[in-house]
Amino acid sequence: GAVVSQHPSRVICKSGTSVKIECRSLDFQATTMFWYRQFPKQSLMLMATSNEGSKATYEQGVEKDKFLINHASLTLSTLTVTSAHPEDSSFYICSAPRFPGQINEKLFFGSGTQLSVL
Amino acid sequence: GQQLNQSPQSMFIQEGEDVSMNCTSSSIFNTWLWYKQDPGEGPVLLIALYKAGELTSNGRLTAQFGITRKDSFLNISASIPSDVGIYFCAGRGTSYGKLTFGQGTILTVHP
Repeated sequence: GAVVSQHPSRVICKSGTSVKIECRSLDFQATTMFWYRQFPKQSLMLMATSNEGSKATYEQGVEKDKFLINHASLTLSTLTVTSAHPEDSSFYICSAPRFPGQINEKLFFGSGTQLSVL
Repeated sequence: GQQLNQSPQSMFIQEGEDVSMNCTSSSIFNTWLWYKQDPGEGPVLLIALYKAGELTSNGRLTAQFGITRKDSFLNISASIPSDVGIYFCAGRGTSYGKLTFGQGTILTVHP
């Protein structure tokens, strides 16, 4: 079964509103989670690394004020797309590593959130 | 930065045929992972490889971690319609958790 849960799976919002996406690790703790963005028929692009209890680390070119990340607990990270615009429409996916820092580390993904901004 | 080249970009095959796809990297990876993604879903982990030369199977899937640590392949034997989807390779260097993804292989299986 799923080890990483992501909600909502689909959201449609008006331009200018903010949208929050949740990512939970189900049966393990995740001090680090990752947020990706994916355009149709393209690969996953890492947006940011979410760190429990500290600030997120953003990849080059990703606006931290646009994509707010909060990792308030060991099992929950949230991504808030602030003042969303149509160009923010995309598929957002979170992931969490199991056995982090160990040689057998595995990265599991949530089911993704399709954001459509009208 | 690290780059992964995944090929082929797409494949159209008949049910029952075998499939092979591969990834090559410009630099060394310590871990190779293969994922499958269905439309509107997140990637699902198929096989994880941790040692150079390692050959691992998961049902009809077999993947290998290249000896040079710069490549990996995935084979699917006796394909079935539910194998349809996008397959991604992903490599991890020295940064735990951070993966570099290939461009994906779109697989279509005709019944």
